Amino acid sequence: ETGVTQTPRHLVMGMTNKKSLKCEQHLGHNAMYWYKQSAKKPLELMFVYNFKEQTENNSVPSRFSPECPNSSHLFLHLHTLQPEDSALYLCASSQGVGTSGSSYNEQFFGPGTRLTVL
Amino acid sequence: LAKTTQPISMDSYEGQEVNITCSHNNIATNDYITWYQQFPSQGPRFIIQGYKTKVTNEVASLFIPADRKSSTLSLPRVSLSDTAVYYCLVGDRTGANNLFFGTGTRLTVIP
Repeated sequence: ETGVTQTPRHLVMGMTNKKSLKCEQHLGHNAMYWYKQSAKKPLELMFVYNFKEQTENNSVPSRFSPECPNSSHLFLHLHTLQPEDSALYLCASSQGVGTSGSSYNEQFFGPGTRLTVL
Repeated sequence: LAKTTQPISMDSYEGQEVNITCSHNNIATNDYITWYQQFPSQGPRFIIQGYKTKVTNEVASLFIPADRKSSTLSLPRVSLSDTAVYYCLVGDRTGANNLFFGTGTRLTVIP
């Protein structure tokens, strides 16, 4: 248990569906992240939110739309996805990007959502 | 952003010590070296971080030579449960450029 939860754990959707992934962190962190991990590929950073502001959008297609209503919650809205979007979507949190201090900005990851697009 | 290079895979028998080396020739003065562990279908988990010389915790040791162009993660007496992918990341403490994972090293522990 890392203090970061994700729902749902598994999701199957058609290409015309609209769904949302939810992430919640109970660690008092200020930064949250979405990563995509396809089969046998490295983790790809998608979005970064720091103090509720989006600070990174790593050239992600517009069919993925993030939302961060507060520092504890992060959503990833999905619409008109493609089969190649099938992957494990991981959420992570950390104290805050850009805040140096005595401790490293360690990321805590959730268990992920296994997404299958038919 | 400092690029890292690791072996793609390694095998080890149970009970042996495993050393995984990461090359980071372009490491900057303010950069730290951090290792994560990832089990199948789970998110990565922080293992250890260091700047120079040697760091040890209850899970692993990290050896960093004086030139800091490489680092070695050492796992003592591995067990089957240590089978995972191990990632080496290099970046400064702000975390702003510590967010990119490479391909990692897939360690398989054999009975």
